Amino acid sequence: KQEVTQIPAALSVPEGENLVLNCSFTDSAIYNLQWFRQDPGKGLTSLLLIQSSQREQTSGRLNASLDKSSGRSTLYIAASQPGDSATYLCAVKILSNFGNEKLTFGTGTRLTIIP
Amino acid sequence: EAGVTQSPTHLIKTRGQQATLRCSPISGHTSVYWYQQALGLGLQFLLWYDEGEERNRGNFPPRFSGRQFPNYSSELNVNALELEDSALYLCASSPGGWTGAYNEQFFGPGTRLTVL
Repeated sequence: KQEVTQIPAALSVPEGENLVLNCSFTDSAIYNLQWFRQDPGKGLTSLLLIQSSQREQTSGRLNASLDKSSGRSTLYIAASQPGDSATYLCAVKILSNFGNEKLTFGTGTRLTIIP
Repeated sequence: EAGVTQSPTHLIKTRGQQATLRCSPISGHTSVYWYQQALGLGLQFLLWYDEGEERNRGNFPPRFSGRQFPNYSSELNVNALELEDSALYLCASSPGGWTGAYNEQFFGPGTRLTVL
């Protein structure tokens, strides 16, 4: 059974700093990995999608990497801003028999950027 | 382009009642997914519909059911509501088809269900 872990559960950093969020998963047979942000009580906003054949993806100040063999992904946020404060979730789509298509989510990292 | 929409935003029910939640996917998307986000339990996969068929189901009792309409919108029904069904229910859509497994999922704003 795929398990997805995110450490730390919470992180506070001063504005302007660069930071890294971590995601690890137990089963390396994945289609892809997605990073999301969730504001309190809201839905999920997709940030980046990395296919299993890719090593990284970039969007603006965000860079996500994937090391499938070690079961790890990182989300790098450059020059953090107060608007980046949110919960960040990673999710993997597993590669198994057709029909078992779903995302398995980590428990998230609550990020607070201190002005 | 409009994103995934869900209705209602909030729903308050009492134990034993039935709840119906609705989702409209992004235009052109044929796959719809439902997830439950209960306090302290994280996001759990509920159901996946594609081309009108139920394709996969998470570890939830049969009183959680749904359907997908010809226009690809979807409905989630929860019968015999229990207190622990209180949660944010999120719907997501993706293009589906043979490349479906590689596609990004886009989420709606959710329906907050409260069971009293």
